[in-house]
Formats: sequence, C-alpha cells, structure tokens
Amino acid sequence: LAKTTQPISMDSYEGQEVNITCSHNNIATNDYITWYQQFPSQGPRFIIQGYKTKVTNEVASLFIPADRKSSTLSLPRVSLSDTAVYYCLVGDMLDNTNAGKSTFGDGTTLTVKP
Amino acid sequence: KAGVTQTPRYLIKTRGQQVTLSCSPISGHRSVSWYQQTPGQGLQFLFEYFSETQRNKGNFPGRFSGRQFSNSRSEMNVSTLELGDSALYLCASSRGAMGNSPLHFGNGTRLTVT
Repeated sequence: LAKTTQPISMDSYEGQEVNITCSHNNIATNDYITWYQQFPSQGPRFIIQGYKTKVTNEVASLFIPADRKSSTLSLPRVSLSDTAVYYCLVGDMLDNTNAGKSTFGDGTTLTVKP
Repeated sequence: KAGVTQTPRYLIKTRGQQVTLSCSPISGHRSVSWYQQTPGQGLQFLFEYFSETQRNKGNFPGRFSGRQFSNSRSEMNVSTLELGDSALYLCASSRGAMGNSPLHFGNGTRLTVT
C-alpha cells in the first residue's frame, strides 16, 4: 500500500465546499485511489474511487492530476452531518504485501461548524 | 441491497474467555476481511477470506482466527482474551475478484475485555 499523507484535521462551515488533499508520491501504476468516511463507532464508508482525472458521484468529486502523486476529495456544500474522519487509501488493501501494517493511517478529521 | 451485517453489536467478556464474532457480507461479495480498530493503533488488518480460503493474514497472534462458509458468511474467533483485545472489530466485504475492489464495512462489534 502506497504511503499517504493527509492533513490531520480541517474545519469548515455549513454550506462551504471542502477540499481534502492526499499526497501519495510512490503510487504504483496499477493503484487506484479510494476515499472512505468514518463516523464514531461505525465502520468506514466507501465514498469514491478513481484512477486518473476526475470522478464524480452523488456525494463527492475526486480530482487526480496527471502525475497521480496526489488527489483531492471535494465535498460540495458540507453540512454538520459531514463531520467525520476521511481516509485516503492508495492501492489494494487486500494485497498481502501489506500484512501487518496499519491500512488506514490517521485520516483527516473534518469538523463542520454551524 | 442489504449492507454488511455484524453481530453482536456489543460484547463484554472476561480475560481468558473466548469470543466468536459474525459477519454477513453483501450478497454477491466473495471476499470478507476483518480489522481491529483501536485509538492507539488505528485500523489494523487481521485476515481476509475468499471463497472459504484464507487469502491474506495480518500480523496478529494465533489466538485470532477466522473462517468463511460456503455462503460467504464469516466468523472470527479470539481465544484466551487479553485486556488489550478490547477494540472495535470490523469486517468488510468486496467482490474480491480483482485488485482495488472497494471495501464495504459493517458497523462493527465493540468488544470490551475486563
């Protein structure tokens, strides 16, 4: 699993657009980029996955530059309920070369204020 | 489509006892993986099963074991419980047929060992 770097925390206000950037300099050719959201005492929830350029679904957009060394999760017009931890993962979490390693890192704690 | 179901939701056990946790994956998903989440260690990979066979294993002692049934349902067992086993145990399912399949998590079993 490629090493990723995300901001530890971010604050925003309701109605704003939030962009969370993840750095992954050693991304491999076959690696996809996947983002998850986790609320306290719940399992992570799949948000979006992409390989290159831009991917959009009903909840978020994922922007990936041509060199793929970073990616940005964009949440349009956040609400209080978007307060959660957001994890960026690169590669296949079930790749057995990653056995014994923490798979999700620390993520980014997003706090949305009224 | 029903999500991943984990039972029980909460469990309190005494040191030295053993425990079995259950996971029902999303219909059609053949891969089930298990994770331990604690505040200090983050989300750690335990093992993964695909078509009733353990395909990957994390760096946990032999007290942690699992199995998968023909209907893809999976169980995880922890024997000789220790205080440090207190954690949120999550299972996730995926199609698993190729790399980078997004994981779909259950809401976990909160295990407390006293």
